[in-house]
Amino acid sequence: NAGVTQTPKFQVLKTGQSMTLQCAQDMNHEYMSWYRQDPGMGLRLIHYSVGAGITDQGEVPNGYNVSRSTTEDFPLRLLSAAPSQTSVYFCASRGTSGRFDNEQFFGPGTRLTVL
Amino acid sequence: AQSVTQLGSHVSVSEGALVLLRCNYSSSVPPYLFWYVQYPNQGLQLLLKYTSAATLVKGINGFEAEFKKSETSFHLTKPSAHMSDAAEYFCAVSFSGSRLTFGEGTQLTVNP
Repeated sequence: NAGVTQTPKFQVLKTGQSMTLQCAQDMNHEYMSWYRQDPGMGLRLIHYSVGAGITDQGEVPNGYNVSRSTTEDFPLRLLSAAPSQTSVYFCASRGTSGRFDNEQFFGPGTRLTVL
Repeated sequence: AQSVTQLGSHVSVSEGALVLLRCNYSSSVPPYLFWYVQYPNQGLQLLLKYTSAATLVKGINGFEAEFKKSETSFHLTKPSAHMSDAAEYFCAVSFSGSRLTFGEGTQLTVNP
């Protein structure tokens, strides 16, 4: 299994540009989520999904959109990038059986800079 | 509402010394508790988790944590620090393992 994969690893945007951060998992997990990590603030939940076609907002959803058309993929869209969205973004999926029950698996992250 | 407080944004220990990273939580229902480790420029890796079974939880790399309901704490310990333990550590709480609420993180430095 590749686990949770994210692309790109690095991205630089100009203010106002749009982009999509890709996230995929091959563990057949229903629950997936997006976090952003900022210095001294830990990780904060942006959006999450409990299954294909179902998404909901987390703690800091403004400026981000998500959709979940398949179990495997959970892209995060920035519609009009702002410098405040400069951060490291992590995607995660949650196991629901056996010893991985309730364990979230994190991707390697996307480091985004908005100029 | 749930929240997590990690006491000490930076902790420095000597190699071979005890590692103690503090975490206190607030939750209105019995929580699930987690410790994650993040090495530089990498994602988060689960060290251990508490899900209402044994209160003393053993994780990877020699780490363990004890759930103390009366103190609302879940401190992370390791008897003897190794240079490879240098990383950032995050405590997290959730109701069901889904919506994780993270602490601010503790940067552990291990001195030779």
